[in-house]
Amino acid sequence: TQLLEQSPQFLSIQEGENLTVYCNSSSVFSSLQWYRQEPGEGPVLLVTVVTGGEVKKLKRLTFQFGDARKDSSLHITAAQPGDTGLYLCAGVDSGGSNYKLTFGKGTLLTVNP
Amino acid sequence: DAGVIQSPRHEVTEMGQEVTLRCKPISGHNSLFWYRQTMMRGLELLIYFNNNVPIDDSGMPEDRFSAKMPNASFSTLKIQPSEPRDSAVYFCASRGDQWDTGELFFGEGSRLTVL
Repeated sequence: TQLLEQSPQFLSIQEGENLTVYCNSSSVFSSLQWYRQEPGEGPVLLVTVVTGGEVKKLKRLTFQFGDARKDSSLHITAAQPGDTGLYLCAGVDSGGSNYKLTFGKGTLLTVNP
Repeated sequence: DAGVIQSPRHEVTEMGQEVTLRCKPISGHNSLFWYRQTMMRGLELLIYFNNNVPIDDSGMPEDRFSAKMPNASFSTLKIQPSEPRDSAVYFCASRGDQWDTGELFFGEGSRLTVL
């Protein structure tokens, strides 16, 4: 069973700071997605990465897929209170079923004004 | 456009009672997923339907759990009898295609508390 380890589990920072959260596995992913979940809501897709070494930017968010497609990172520049939420990575095992998206437990980010 | 619609949003019940959670996927989406979220275990896939057919139910905890999709616009997840350890937020999600890079659209979830 594919395991996705996310770190840190909790992160509390001040507005304007930069941060990076990580998603690691021993398995190779055919693709990896990042979702953000706000309290009382379902997760919402931020980005999908497919190619090893791929970097995608979404305003102040930068996503990187590891060269070996076993890990990913999310970097937020100048965090704002609106970035507060649970950040989840989810991957499809390259050796498994193509529909089976396995989620990490997430990083709970709090950005204080 | 309406997103994935789940009901009820909150359910409090007593151990041993039957619980039925409902989901209406986004129109035109042919893949439907039921997930369960807890602090300890995160988001776990319970069952996956494609074109109304259950493809993978390996995540269903035990025989107390059952899921149906009688048509393309409706699915249910039933727990009978419910137990306190079933307390969690249950999410339904749909996807417009079968490819692994497709976006999952989640409902707002059904928070279940079993006393």
